Amino acid sequence: AQSVTQPDIHITVSEGASLELRCNYSYGATPYLFWYVQSPGQGLQLLLKYFSGDTLVQGIKGFEAEFKRSQSSFNLRKPSVHWSDAAEYFCAVGRANQAGTALIFGKGTTLSVSS
Amino acid sequence: GAVVSQHPSRVICKSGTSVKIECRSLDFQATTMFWYRQFPKQSLMLMATSNEGSKATYEQGVEKDKFLINHASLTLSTLTVTSAHPEDSSFYICSAGTSGGGNIQYFGAGTRLSVL
Repeated sequence: AQSVTQPDIHITVSEGASLELRCNYSYGATPYLFWYVQSPGQGLQLLLKYFSGDTLVQGIKGFEAEFKRSQSSFNLRKPSVHWSDAAEYFCAVGRANQAGTALIFGKGTTLSVSS
Repeated sequence: GAVVSQHPSRVICKSGTSVKIECRSLDFQATTMFWYRQFPKQSLMLMATSNEGSKATYEQGVEKDKFLINHASLTLSTLTVTSAHPEDSSFYICSAGTSGGGNIQYFGAGTRLSVL
Protein backbone atom coordinates (compact mmCIF):
# COMPACT_ATOMS: atom_id res chain seq x y z
CA ALA A 1 0.00 0.00 0.00
CA GLN A 2 1.13 3.52 -0.69
CA SER A 3 2.15 5.52 2.33
CA VAL A 4 4.26 8.42 3.45
CA THR A 5 6.18 8.54 6.71
CA GLN A 6 7.52 11.66 8.31
CA PRO A 7 9.46 10.34 11.31
CA ASP A 8 9.80 13.67 13.09
CA ILE A 9 6.63 15.07 14.61
CA HIS A 10 8.24 18.25 15.90
CA ILE A 11 11.59 19.86 15.20
CA THR A 12 13.07 23.00 16.70
CA VAL A 13 15.85 24.79 14.87
CA SER A 14 17.72 27.95 15.72
CA GLU A 15 17.29 30.82 13.33
CA GLY A 16 20.11 30.74 10.79
CA ALA A 17 20.80 27.05 11.30
CA SER A 18 20.32 24.44 8.62
CA LEU A 19 17.24 22.28 8.40
CA GLU A 20 16.44 18.81 7.16
CA LEU A 21 12.98 17.28 7.32
CA ARG A 22 12.76 13.61 6.62
CA CYS A 23 10.26 11.85 4.38
CA ASN A 24 10.06 8.22 3.39
CA TYR A 25 7.50 6.75 1.07
CA SER A 26 6.17 3.41 0.04
CA TYR A 27 4.94 3.26 -3.50
CA GLY A 28 4.57 0.65 -6.20
CA ALA A 29 5.82 2.70 -9.12
CA THR A 30 7.74 5.86 -9.82
CA PRO A 31 6.15 8.38 -7.49
CA TYR A 32 5.28 11.98 -7.87
CA LEU A 33 6.64 13.59 -4.69
CA PHE A 34 5.71 16.89 -3.14
CA TRP A 35 6.46 19.06 -0.15
CA TYR A 36 3.81 21.45 1.08
CA VAL A 37 3.85 24.00 3.88
CA GLN A 38 0.84 24.95 5.97
CA SER A 39 0.59 27.96 8.25
CA PRO A 40 -1.92 27.79 11.13
CA GLY A 41 -5.50 27.77 9.89
CA GLN A 42 -4.41 28.02 6.29
CA GLY A 43 -4.37 25.86 3.21
CA LEU A 44 -1.30 24.28 1.75
CA GLN A 45 1.36 25.96 -0.33
CA LEU A 46 3.50 23.93 -2.69
CA LEU A 47 7.19 24.22 -1.88
CA LEU A 48 8.56 21.89 -4.52
CA LYS A 49 7.87 18.75 -6.47
CA TYR A 50 9.64 15.85 -8.10
CA PHE A 51 8.32 14.04 -11.12
CA SER A 52 11.42 12.86 -12.96
CA GLY A 53 14.89 13.90 -14.04
CA ASP A 54 17.36 15.62 -11.73
CA THR A 55 16.96 14.13 -8.28
CA LEU A 56 17.82 17.40 -6.53
CA VAL A 57 14.94 19.81 -6.92
CA GLN A 58 14.81 23.43 -5.99
CA GLY A 59 11.72 25.06 -4.60
CA ILE A 60 10.47 28.35 -3.32
CA LYS A 61 11.72 30.16 -0.23
CA GLY A 62 15.18 28.63 -0.52
CA PHE A 63 14.07 25.03 0.02
CA GLU A 64 15.41 22.04 -1.83
CA ALA A 65 14.77 18.32 -1.69
CA GLU A 66 16.61 15.26 -2.89
CA PHE A 67 14.95 12.15 -4.24
CA LYS A 68 16.80 8.97 -3.34
CA ARG A 69 15.17 5.99 -4.92
CA SER A 70 17.40 3.47 -3.13
CA GLN A 71 16.29 4.84 0.23
CA SER A 72 12.71 5.68 -0.77
CA SER A 73 13.31 9.11 0.64
CA PHE A 74 12.59 12.69 -0.33
CA ASN A 75 14.10 14.84 2.40
CA LEU A 76 13.56 18.58 2.52
CA ARG A 77 16.47 20.89 3.27
CA LYS A 78 17.19 24.54 3.80
CA PRO A 79 20.66 25.90 4.52
CA SER A 80 19.57 28.75 6.75
CA VAL A 81 16.21 28.86 8.49
CA HIS A 82 14.29 32.08 9.02
CA TRP A 83 11.76 32.67 11.79
CA SER A 84 9.03 32.91 9.16
CA ASP A 85 9.67 29.28 8.22
CA ALA A 86 7.93 28.11 11.38
CA ALA A 87 4.96 26.10 10.13
CA GLU A 88 3.68 22.59 9.45
CA TYR A 89 5.39 20.73 6.64
CA PHE A 90 3.79 17.89 4.75
CA CYS A 91 5.39 15.43 2.41
CA ALA A 92 3.06 13.84 -0.11
CA VAL A 93 3.15 11.24 -2.83
CA GLY A 94 0.97 11.23 -5.90
CA ARG A 95 -0.79 8.13 -7.03
CA ALA A 96 -2.77 7.35 -10.10
CA ASN A 97 -6.43 7.92 -9.48
CA GLN A 98 -9.51 7.52 -11.53
CA ALA A 99 -9.18 11.10 -12.64
CA GLY A 100 -5.95 12.81 -11.80
CA THR A 101 -3.40 12.41 -9.12
CA ALA A 102 -4.77 12.39 -5.62
CA LEU A 103 -2.16 12.86 -2.93
CA ILE A 104 -1.30 10.74 0.07
CA PHE A 105 0.10 12.84 2.85
CA GLY A 106 2.44 12.14 5.69
CA LYS A 107 1.37 13.19 9.16
CA GLY A 108 3.41 16.33 9.00
CA THR A 109 6.35 17.83 10.85
CA THR A 110 5.92 20.93 12.94
CA LEU A 111 8.88 23.25 12.63
CA SER A 112 9.60 25.72 15.40
CA VAL A 113 12.33 28.33 15.01
CA SER A 114 14.10 29.66 18.06
CA SER A 115 15.95 32.95 18.19
CA GLY B 1 0.61 30.84 -9.76
CA ALA B 2 -2.74 29.15 -9.82
CA VAL B 3 -5.23 30.31 -7.20
CA VAL B 4 -7.95 28.28 -5.55
CA SER B 5 -10.57 30.13 -3.56
CA GLN B 6 -12.51 28.32 -0.85
CA HIS B 7 -15.53 29.79 0.88
CA PRO B 8 -16.50 30.17 3.64
CA SER B 9 -13.34 30.13 5.69
CA ARG B 10 -15.25 29.39 8.84
CA VAL B 11 -18.78 28.26 9.58
CA ILE B 12 -20.60 27.46 12.78
CA CYS B 13 -23.90 25.65 12.51
CA LYS B 14 -26.43 23.81 14.60
CA SER B 15 -26.62 20.05 14.61
CA GLY B 16 -28.94 18.77 11.92
CA THR B 17 -28.41 21.60 9.46
CA SER B 18 -26.61 21.37 6.12
CA VAL B 19 -23.56 23.36 5.16
CA LYS B 20 -22.24 24.06 1.68
CA ILE B 21 -18.58 24.77 1.00
CA GLU B 22 -17.45 26.18 -2.35
CA CYS B 23 -14.15 25.65 -4.07
CA ARG B 24 -13.27 27.75 -7.09
CA SER B 25 -10.27 27.77 -9.38
CA LEU B 26 -9.84 31.44 -10.18
CA ASP B 27 -7.38 31.52 -13.05
CA PHE B 28 -7.40 28.06 -14.52
CA GLN B 29 -9.80 25.34 -15.45
CA ALA B 30 -9.75 22.42 -13.07
CA THR B 31 -10.55 19.13 -14.64
CA THR B 32 -10.34 17.48 -11.26
CA MET B 33 -10.99 18.72 -7.76
CA PHE B 34 -10.25 16.94 -4.50
CA TRP B 35 -11.76 17.26 -1.07
CA TYR B 36 -9.71 16.54 2.03
CA ARG B 37 -10.47 16.50 5.70
CA GLN B 38 -7.95 17.38 8.36
CA PHE B 39 -8.32 16.72 12.06
CA PRO B 40 -6.33 18.78 14.58
CA LYS B 41 -2.63 17.97 14.46
CA GLN B 42 -3.31 15.31 11.85
CA SER B 43 -2.62 14.85 8.20
CA LEU B 44 -5.01 15.44 5.33
CA MET B 45 -7.23 12.54 4.42
CA LEU B 46 -8.68 12.36 0.95
CA MET B 47 -12.46 12.24 1.04
CA ALA B 48 -13.39 12.28 -2.60
CA THR B 49 -12.37 13.17 -6.11
CA SER B 50 -14.72 15.13 -8.28
CA ASN B 51 -14.65 15.54 -12.02
CA GLU B 52 -16.57 18.13 -13.92
CA GLY B 53 -19.81 16.71 -15.24
CA SER B 54 -19.60 13.31 -13.59
CA LYS B 55 -20.17 11.69 -10.24
CA ALA B 56 -17.60 12.04 -7.54
CA THR B 57 -15.44 9.13 -6.49
CA TYR B 58 -15.48 8.66 -2.75
CA GLU B 59 -12.78 7.09 -0.66
CA GLN B 60 -13.58 4.03 1.39
CA GLY B 61 -15.37 4.92 4.57
CA VAL B 62 -16.68 8.28 3.38
CA GLU B 63 -20.46 8.46 3.29
CA LYS B 64 -21.52 9.78 -0.09
CA ASP B 65 -24.99 10.65 1.16
CA LYS B 66 -23.46 12.62 4.00
CA PHE B 67 -20.91 14.52 1.96
CA LEU B 68 -22.50 15.57 -1.31
CA ILE B 69 -20.13 16.76 -3.98
CA ASN B 70 -21.11 18.65 -7.09
CA HIS B 71 -18.68 19.70 -9.78
CA ALA B 72 -20.92 21.71 -12.06
CA SER B 73 -18.25 23.52 -14.02
CA LEU B 74 -14.52 23.51 -14.68
CA THR B 75 -14.03 26.18 -12.04
CA LEU B 76 -16.42 25.23 -9.26
CA SER B 77 -16.91 22.28 -6.97
CA THR B 78 -19.09 22.25 -3.89
CA LEU B 79 -19.13 20.03 -0.83
CA THR B 80 -22.35 19.88 1.15
CA VAL B 81 -22.26 18.37 4.60
CA THR B 82 -25.82 17.20 5.10
CA SER B 83 -27.46 16.96 8.50
CA ALA B 84 -24.24 17.92 10.17
CA HIS B 85 -23.38 16.55 13.60
CA PRO B 86 -20.65 17.51 16.06
CA GLU B 87 -18.43 14.66 14.85
CA ASP B 88 -18.38 16.33 11.42
CA SER B 89 -16.56 19.30 12.91
CA SER B 90 -13.25 19.50 11.14
CA PHE B 91 -11.07 21.43 8.74
CA TYR B 92 -12.06 20.78 5.13
CA ILE B 93 -9.65 21.63 2.34
CA CYS B 94 -10.21 21.48 -1.38
CA SER B 95 -7.66 21.32 -4.12
CA ALA B 96 -7.86 21.70 -7.84
CA GLY B 97 -5.73 19.91 -10.35
CA THR B 98 -4.96 20.48 -13.98
CA SER B 99 -4.63 17.82 -16.62
CA GLY B 100 -1.16 18.84 -17.64
CA GLY B 101 2.13 19.34 -15.82
CA GLY B 102 1.93 16.24 -13.71
CA ASN B 103 -1.41 17.02 -12.14
CA ILE B 104 -0.14 19.45 -9.58
CA GLN B 105 -2.77 20.30 -7.01
CA TYR B 106 -3.41 23.80 -5.78
CA PHE B 107 -5.06 24.12 -2.43
CA GLY B 108 -7.74 26.37 -1.05
CA ALA B 109 -7.30 28.03 2.33
CA GLY B 110 -9.66 25.58 3.99
CA THR B 111 -12.97 25.78 5.84
CA ARG B 112 -13.24 25.35 9.57
CA LEU B 113 -16.59 23.71 10.31
CA SER B 114 -17.88 23.70 13.86
CA VAL B 115 -21.16 21.91 14.53
CA LEU B 116 -22.82 22.73 17.84
